[in-house]
Amino acid sequence: LAKTTQPISMDSYEGQEVNITCSHNNIATNDYITWYQQFPSQGPRFIIQGYKTKVTNEVASLFIPADRKSSTLSLPRVSLSDTAVYYCLVMDTGRRALTFGSGTRLQVQP
Amino acid sequence: DARVTQTPRDKVTEMGQEVTMRCQPILGHNTVFWYRQTMMQGLELLAYFRNRAPLDDSGMPKDRFSAEMPDATLATLKIQPSEPRDSAVYFCASGLGQRNTEAFFGQGTRLTVV
Repeated sequence: LAKTTQPISMDSYEGQEVNITCSHNNIATNDYITWYQQFPSQGPRFIIQGYKTKVTNEVASLFIPADRKSSTLSLPRVSLSDTAVYYCLVMDTGRRALTFGSGTRLQVQP
Repeated sequence: DARVTQTPRDKVTEMGQEVTMRCQPILGHNTVFWYRQTMMQGLELLAYFRNRAPLDDSGMPKDRFSAEMPDATLATLKIQPSEPRDSAVYFCASGLGQRNTEAFFGQGTRLTVV
């Protein structure tokens, strides 16, 4: 199993950049790293996906070092509406399906 | 706006009753997932289908849970008999292909078994 480890919670203030790091030491060669966001009472929502180096979209950036044993989700200039749980996932090689860990609960304050 | 539709949104039932949850995946998506979320266990994968065929249901209690895809537009998750420990939010998600990790989640069915 490709297990992920990420901080349980993080606090930030509006306007700051938030970086959430995830470790995945057992990632398989062909696996992708994916991040999801979940608001209360809603299903998770795909944010970004990458394989190596850097990926950027309108919501976030994803930094992946050469060894791919970790990844960092970067949220630029967070707002109160970014308060959510953020999940880091890699393809579960045993089951070939996305397996969610505990996630990181981000609290953004004014 | 394509989305995954789940029904019902909320369900309260008595222990021992049968519960059926339905999911309409996004048209054209060939992979359907069922997840369960509780405070204690987080998001757990119950089962998933590709091209309507069950690929993995090892996360489901086999004696009481069953998942099917009667056709490409409908996935069902049935619990019979239901127990209080089944109380959770059940999410359906759909996506494309084995390598694509972008899954689209429905709003969930909040199940309460009393």
